[in-house]
Amino acid sequence: KQEVTQIPAALSVPEGENLVLNCSFTDSAIYNLQWFRQDPGKGLTSLLLIQSSQREQTSGRLNASLDKSSGRSTLYIAASQPGDSATYLCALEDTGRRALTFGSGTRLQVQP
Amino acid sequence: EAEVAQSPRYKITEKSQAVAFWCDPISGHATLYWYRQILGQGPELLVQFQDESVVDDSQLPKDRFSAERLKGVDSTLKIQPAELGDSAMYLCASSPGQGPEKLFFGSGTQLSVL
Repeated sequence: KQEVTQIPAALSVPEGENLVLNCSFTDSAIYNLQWFRQDPGKGLTSLLLIQSSQREQTSGRLNASLDKSSGRSTLYIAASQPGDSATYLCALEDTGRRALTFGSGTRLQVQP
Repeated sequence: EAEVAQSPRYKITEKSQAVAFWCDPISGHATLYWYRQILGQGPELLVQFQDESVVDDSQLPKDRFSAERLKGVDSTLKIQPAELGDSAMYLCASSPGQGPEKLFFGSGTQLSVL
């Protein structure tokens, strides 16, 4: 059974700092990996999707990388802003299962 | 911009009562998911539909939970009877159903069982 771990559980940084969120998984036979953002009490918004054949994806100030061999993904946020404050979750779609397995998320707070 | 619609937004009920949640996916999306999210944890899949057919309901507590998507469009998730441990956010998501794709989530229904 796939297990997804996100460390740290919470992170507080000053505005303008570059930061990295980590996601590790136990089974490298994945179909794709997604990073989501969730604001308090709200649904999830997909930020980036990396297919299993890809190594990274970029959108604006966000860059996500995938290393299947080591079972790791990172989400890099450049020049963080208070509006980036939210919980960030990674999720994996296993080959054959076609449903996402989520990590518990990293709660990010960017201080003005 | 098209959105996944869910209602109600909040639901408070007493233990042993019946509750129902409704989801209307983005038009044309063949795949619909119901997830449950306990505070501080990631969402966990309850049931996945492809059109009107159930693809995966292995994690659905079938003694008390039921889900349907009769015409392959909107969907209803029901709990009867509700238990204290069912208090959680219930999230609906949809996707076009073709290849690797992003999921689009609704705002969820926050259930509190007293």
